[in-house]
Amino acid sequence: SYVLTQSPSVSVAPGQTARITCGGNNIGTKKVHWYQQKSGQAPVLVVYDDSGRPSGIPDRFSGSNSGNTATLAISRVEAGDEAAYFCQVWHSGVIFGGGTKLTVL
Amino acid sequence: QLQLQESGPGLVKPSETLSLTCTLSGGSISDSSYYWAWIRQPPGKGLEWIGNVYSSGSTYYNPSLRSRVGISGDTSKNQFSLKLNSVTAADTAVYYCARCPIRWSSLDSYCYMDVWGKGTTATVSS
Repeated sequence: SYVLTQSPSVSVAPGQTARITCGGNNIGTKKVHWYQQKSGQAPVLVVYDDSGRPSGIPDRFSGSNSGNTATLAISRVEAGDEAAYFCQVWHSGVIFGGGTKLTVL
Repeated sequence: QLQLQESGPGLVKPSETLSLTCTLSGGSISDSSYYWAWIRQPPGKGLEWIGNVYSSGSTYYNPSLRSRVGISGDTSKNQFSLKLNSVTAADTAVYYCARCPIRWSSLDSYCYMDVWGKGTTATVSS
């Protein structure tokens, strides 16, 4: 089976850039998607196909994917970005990473 | 604009079958551009994919749940449903339904979840 590895937590000050990583064997050969989940709410797609942004998602959210690591970058971080972030790929089905809790200091 | 709404009993007894339904509005389950997915999230934990159903009735399931799960669509009601049998406390979770646009890479089709329902909590307890 295919495993996606995320750090449990990331902390960043407002206005700085947060980088959340997702590790997987040759993940650069797959399409990676990212979801934001605020407390008590359903997940929301923030990046698809490595770097695509759905309508309504600010351009502060960007994604990249190469080698064994995919990255979600959130620039000019705001208090409202505090949430859990999950990466996802398709490998004979949907695979989610364990999630990273972003704390805005 | 597509909306998804999960429904079903909030409490299920151990060893019984959990049955949930997802009703679409503003879209059609017959749309061949999408899979329709079930995902769950145990309290305080991450997301777990349960499975997908396609308009043709074809299904994909998480191997860890395949022996206990069934997903089907009802085009007449514009709904799709989840049945999970022989439930235990470990099946207690928030259950989400979602739309999964089908994309093609050089090797395979794949999808991601672009529209989610609000989720429904299912508790397994006697």
